[in-house]
Amino acid sequence: GAGVSQSPRYKVAKRGQDVALRCDPISGHVSLFWYQQALGQGPEFLTYFQNEAQLDKSGLPSDRFFAERPEGSVSTLKIQRTQQEDSAVYLCASSFQEGGAAPSYEQYFGPGTRLTVT
Amino acid sequence: GQNIDQPTEMTATEGAIVQINCTYQTSGFNGLFWYQQHAGEAPTFLSYNVLDGLEEKGRFSSFLSRSKGYSYLLLKELQMKDSASYLCAFVKYSGNTPLVFGKGTRLSVIA
Repeated sequence: GAGVSQSPRYKVAKRGQDVALRCDPISGHVSLFWYQQALGQGPEFLTYFQNEAQLDKSGLPSDRFFAERPEGSVSTLKIQRTQQEDSAVYLCASSFQEGGAAPSYEQYFGPGTRLTVT
Repeated sequence: GQNIDQPTEMTATEGAIVQINCTYQTSGFNGLFWYQQHAGEAPTFLSYNVLDGLEEKGRFSSFLSRSKGYSYLLLKELQMKDSASYLCAFVKYSGNTPLVFGKGTRLSVIA
């Protein structure tokens, strides 16, 4: 079946612009995670959802970052007034399908959105 | 606090065996993951250890010692396509909760 998809794959924004990054998780996956990956680094946690509930947003770097998953499926990560330090790859991952085979903790990652702020 | 550490880069020869180590400190622990990430691509799942010991899966094996806060990924019969970054990550809480990643080990396989 289809994996996690993200759009756009690449985004160039001028400093100060707002951007919206979309994640389509694997159908039926309950949990959805957003990570930020700087060049040459490991992914760092931003926020995650279980269905439509945002359970933890402690990793969001500032109040310019906002995420939502209103119907418990597609999620959007919005960054307002982008800054150069926001340049990174934003990865989305989903996990856990009710009734699925164990282990169910594996997170399936999308290809990411590479954001460049100029 | 929490910390996870792995070597930045490693080089190994095609056909050889390589071991990538990972050490971690954390107040909560519910398992250790290894992911492979080729440049510009999504991380892909390799292994998950929650109990002490060795898990073998084809050419890849992963080991965990919870008491020592230590894991390793063992890759046998290296192939050129194994050149990638290998990410070690732990999960603090049970269930589907966020991963805490290391910086990744970039492995280069040479002929």
